[in-house]
Amino acid sequence: NAGVTQTPKFQVLKTGQSMTLQCAQDMNHNSMYWYRQDPGMGLRLIYYSASEGTTDKGEVPNGYNVSRLNKREFSLRLESAAPSQTSVYFCASLTDGAGNTIYFGEGSWLTVV
Amino acid sequence: AQRVTQPEKLLSVFKGAPVELKCNYSYSGSPELFWYVQYSRQRLQLLLRHISRESIKGFTADLNKGETSFHLKKPFAQEEDSAMYYCALRGGSNYKLTFGKGTLLTVNP
Repeated sequence: NAGVTQTPKFQVLKTGQSMTLQCAQDMNHNSMYWYRQDPGMGLRLIYYSASEGTTDKGEVPNGYNVSRLNKREFSLRLESAAPSQTSVYFCASLTDGAGNTIYFGEGSWLTVV
Repeated sequence: AQRVTQPEKLLSVFKGAPVELKCNYSYSGSPELFWYVQYSRQRLQLLLRHISRESIKGFTADLNKGETSFHLKKPFAQEEDSAMYYCALRGGSNYKLTFGKGTLLTVNP
């Protein structure tokens, strides 16, 4: 049981390049999330997926797209990276039912130059 | 709309002193409140949630609906408590989990 796994852990991109952050969870959770963490801004929700086949925008969706490929996987794509997207990205999934607990991946450090 | 406010970006205390990290929220229904902790360069992990009314690592937090607060408290801080703490809110049946901006706690020897 690996929990939430995200790749890559580190990436440097040039402005305008595209890339996809991969996330997978093996806990059979319905809900999955992508957050970005920036100094002084805390965690901000980019997109979330309440269940397989659905996705919704969070606070800061501009410049990103997501795909909920199946129940396990939720990917985040940067179509044309910008320096403002330099951040640490966390994927997470949420247990179902009462007493929900959100589990986070280890984070992906992305630098756009 | 749901919102979480952590008014202190930084909090510094000495070992053995009491510590209180403040969290206020805005939500019209019945929220679920959580505290998450992130130690240096590690993933966020759940510290405690209000429905469990538990004490984890000596920390407690009580939901005060009148004041819309969920402050995190510990009577005697330890150096290993130094970390970033996030308060989070999940509103009712929706799936959005909203975090505050975090408070960096430093416990000095």
